[in-house]
Amino acid sequence: NAGVTQTPKFQVLKTGQSMTLQCAQDMNHNSMYWYRQDPGMGLRLIYYSASEGTTDKGEVPNGYNVSRLNKREFSLRLESAAPSQTSVYFCASSEGGPGLAGASYEQYFGPGTRLTVT
Amino acid sequence: GENVEQHPSTLSVQEGDSAVIKCTYSDSASNYFPWYKQELGKGPQLIIDIRSNVGEKKDQRIAVTLNKTAKHFSLHITETQPEDSAVYFCAARDSSYKLIFGSGTRLLVRP
Repeated sequence: NAGVTQTPKFQVLKTGQSMTLQCAQDMNHNSMYWYRQDPGMGLRLIYYSASEGTTDKGEVPNGYNVSRLNKREFSLRLESAAPSQTSVYFCASSEGGPGLAGASYEQYFGPGTRLTVT
Repeated sequence: GENVEQHPSTLSVQEGDSAVIKCTYSDSASNYFPWYKQELGKGPQLIIDIRSNVGEKKDQRIAVTLNKTAKHFSLHITETQPEDSAVYFCAARDSSYKLIFGSGTRLLVRP
């Protein structure tokens, strides 16, 4: 099992460009999450998908959109990138999640995407 | 909403010594507290967790304690080794089952 995979690993964008970060998990998990990690600020939740077909805003959703394509895949889109979106982005998944009764709420993280917006 | 504070932000210990990282949370309804370890260039990985009906949990050299009354929980690493060097995050699960993370502690174990 690969666990949680993310593409790309690195990306440099110019202000105003758009891009989509891809995430996939092979653990048959119900819930998936997107976080951003900035120095000294821990991990902050951008959006999450409690189950296939649902998405909800997290703590810092502005400037982002998400799509839960199917149970395995959850993508994050930046429509018009800004320098403030320079960060490391992590995708995670869990069996149980917000509003769901599951055997485990442990979140498994992908390796991250390092995004720089100039 | 839930707020989690973590300290210290950096911790340097000699190999073989113990390390303690502390976190406080604000929402008394939070009932699940995981700890994650993040090595350089990788995603965070769960190392231990504790639920609110338990005061202490141990797994080999690591242990977590929870004081519900004071709303704080701590990670204890004994007999530290160089491979323990990493960034550690605490988290609390809020009433809507989302994880709220602390700001992280960079642990350096000096050989």
